[in-house]
Amino acid sequence: AQKITQTQPGMFVQEKEAVTLDCTYDTSDQSYGLFWYKQPSSGEMIFLIYQGSYDEQNATEGRYSLNFQKARKSANLVISASQLGDSAMYFCAMKGNTPLVFGKGTRLSVIA
Amino acid sequence: ETGVTQSPTHLIKTRGQQVTLRCSSQSGHNTVSWYQQALGQGPQFIFQYYREEENGRGNFPPRFSGLQFPNYSSELNVNALELDDSALYLCASSPTAPSYNEQFFGPGTRLTVL
Repeated sequence: AQKITQTQPGMFVQEKEAVTLDCTYDTSDQSYGLFWYKQPSSGEMIFLIYQGSYDEQNATEGRYSLNFQKARKSANLVISASQLGDSAMYFCAMKGNTPLVFGKGTRLSVIA
Repeated sequence: ETGVTQSPTHLIKTRGQQVTLRCSSQSGHNTVSWYQQALGQGPQFIFQYYREEENGRGNFPPRFSGLQFPNYSSELNVNALELDDSALYLCASSPTAPSYNEQFFGPGTRLTVL
């Protein structure tokens, strides 16, 4: 069975600083994808970044980067230059031979 | 290009009632997935529809059922509502099944069961 673990229920970061949100995963699939989603209080899940299990380079999308360490089964999200609008729930998810499996999320609060 | 829309936004029902939630997929998308997100949890997969056929189901009882229509919009039906069915229900569409990084979510329907 696939499992996603996010060990940080809540995180605080100062505006303009960088922050790392942790994610570890467990799967027996050889081919899988890892995702990060942002969920503001409005409820909509916003896709941020994707990493394939065979991708050799870490994914980057603007201020978001994914620190993928396959041997450690970790896929941490790094947000650079945090903005007040980054305050939200962040979910790590994976997809192998099953539909998307989500972690419990991390609530990020950006402080001015 | 319109995104994924869901209706209604909020809904209050009593235990034992039935409910229908609706989802309009993004233009050009033929796959719709439904998720249940309980308070303080991540979304859990309910089922997926591809070209009007169920194409995968999560660990949910048969009283959770769905439909997909020729225009690829979808319904989620829940019979005999229980208090634990109170949650945010999210619909997501994608252009093909499976598609790793092209699943677009709607704003969700918040269901409260009293």
